[in-house]
This record gives sequence, structure tokens and C-alpha cells, in this order.
Amino acid sequence: KQEVTQIPAALSVPEGENLVLNCSFTDSAIYNLQWFRQDPGKGLTSLLLIQSSQREQTSGRLNASLDKSSGRSTLYIAASQPGDSATYLCAPSKGGSNYKLTFGKGTLLTVNP
Amino acid sequence: SAVISQKPSRDICQRGTSLTIQCQVDSQVTMMFWYRQQPGQSLTLIATANQGSEATYESGFVIDKFPISRPNLTFSTLTVSNMSPEDSSIYLCSVRTPSNEKLFFGSGTQLSVL
Repeated sequence: KQEVTQIPAALSVPEGENLVLNCSFTDSAIYNLQWFRQDPGKGLTSLLLIQSSQREQTSGRLNASLDKSSGRSTLYIAASQPGDSATYLCAPSKGGSNYKLTFGKGTLLTVNP
Repeated sequence: SAVISQKPSRDICQRGTSLTIQCQVDSQVTMMFWYRQQPGQSLTLIATANQGSEATYESGFVIDKFPISRPNLTFSTLTVSNMSPEDSSIYLCSVRTPSNEKLFFGSGTQLSVL
């Protein structure tokens, strides 16, 4: 059974800082991994998707890396802004016919102005 | 991408009653998923709803408690039956579009059972 751990559980930083969120998973036989952002009352938004054959993906100030063999992924946020405040979730998938994702509990990020 | 409308956004219900949550997608999708997020916990998959076939439930979830309908490729409902306070959670529907491996989520239903 896949288990996903995200560290830290909560993080508070001043505006402008660069930061790293960590995700580890126990079953390295994944198909891909997604990072999501969750805002209260707004569901989840997919930020980045990394295929198992890829090492990293970038979108604007976000960069996600994947080390499949060691069961780790990181989300790097550059020049953080107050609008980045949210819960960040990682979710690896084994792919296949049902495309099931396993979610971590998330990291609650607060960026202070 | 896909735009998902989920209703209701929140509800407060009495023990023993049932609530049906609706999920409408702006495009046709094969696979729709229902998740539960209990307070302080991660999202847990309840079931996968495919059009034209019975929903596939994950371990720990049963059809009698969480019946699902999928009448067409753009709509699904999840019913939470005979509710107890332990059912107080956020329920989310999500879809995977044919051309994109990303998952898209509705805004969720915040359910409180008294």
C-alpha cells in the first residue's frame, strides 16, 4: 500500500523567500506524480505533473523534482508571495486503468507580507 | 482542462438522513472520482464512477453507504446515506480528461452531521 509523507506539516515564511516542500512515498513503482494546491472552499488545483521518466518540471516560479528510485519529490517555490499561502499536496499515481492517486496530508504554507 | 461544478458547497445535516452531492463537468469525461477529506487528514478515494458500469469502490467504502450514479459522461452524484457525525468531511469529485493526465477537482462539499 502506497504511503505518502509530506514534510513540514506547516511552514511560515516572510514574503520573498525561496522555499522547498518535501514529499516522500513508499512505493517507487509510480507512473507519475502531481503537486496540487488546496485553497479553503476552492477544491484542488493541479500545479505540476511529473512523469516517472522525468526529473523535473517547471511552471513559472514553481519547480518540482522527482527522484523515483528514492521515493522523493520536492516542490521549490521561488520568491514567495502572500498569494502562495495555501496547502500543498503531493500525489503519486501508479497509473493503469483506474489511475488512482494517493495523497499526502499536505504542507500548510503561510507567506507573511 | 475541465470546469467542474459541485453542489451543494456545504450542508449541515441531521444524523440518520441522506445527502446527495452533484458533480457537473463542462466536457465529456470517461472517469470521474469521488474523494473524502476528513478533518486534518489527506484525501481518500471513495470510488471511481465510469459511465455505463457500476462504480468501483475502494477498500472500506460500500455501495449501500455511498451509492453513486453516473447517467452520462458529464454528470455524477454521490449519496452519503444514513449519516452519522463520523461522516462530517469534505467530499470532492474529480475528473481526468482524455487529453490530459492531470486531475481536475470540483470545489468540494463541506458536510457537517449533527
